[in-house]
Amino acid sequence: EAQVTQNPRYLITVTGKKLTVTCSQNMNHEYMSWYRQDPGLGLRQIYYSMNVEVTDKGDVPEGYKVSRKEKRNFPLILESPSPNQTSLYFCASSFSFPGDEQYFGPGTRLTVT
Amino acid sequence: KQEVTQIPAALSVPEGENLVLNCSFTDSAIYNLQWFRQDPGKGLTSLLLIQSSQREQTSGRLNASLDKSSGRSTLYIAASQPGDSATYLCAVRPDSGAGSYQLTFGKGTKLSVIP
Repeated sequence: EAQVTQNPRYLITVTGKKLTVTCSQNMNHEYMSWYRQDPGLGLRQIYYSMNVEVTDKGDVPEGYKVSRKEKRNFPLILESPSPNQTSLYFCASSFSFPGDEQYFGPGTRLTVT
Repeated sequence: KQEVTQIPAALSVPEGENLVLNCSFTDSAIYNLQWFRQDPGKGLTSLLLIQSSQREQTSGRLNASLDKSSGRSTLYIAASQPGDSATYLCAVRPDSGAGSYQLTFGKGTKLSVIP
């Protein structure tokens, strides 16, 4: 089944404890991205990747890191999480850019205390 | 900077009604527009993708139209069902320049279909 998977789905952590949210797609997509969704603010892009080893900042990259060492994986790293990073995170992918539809993962609900 | 607006923020209709959801965007220089559905606590499911050269797309009971010059898109849902209850989001992709690798989302319309 073609899909985007994220792990973990739910995570509660404490301020400053490094964490990684994994994202993987099995559709051989070149383009991948991360979004966060917050009430009243909607979906905002954090980082995106056009292909392996090619990444760039979105609208809200502060406090996040990404890497794209393999085509299928695009992990999101929070080196020192803070409470303002409490949010619902989505990974998305598409076959290429820009004409193809985006496929979204199921989301990761992160709480930082 | 592109802004996407969806009005109304919430809509409640009785089962069986036809309905229209609206999406407007401030910059008409878009490559495409995509409609998504989001169920509570879940990810986004793509419904329809309209390229800038297209006027509309249809899938089952759904029909999306695009008027790029006026900065508007509508999502028409025919014969609504309780299972259509969800939040519907539209997103646009610029056709060039800074931000062209990003989607800009509206905040969505929360639809409730009452049995």
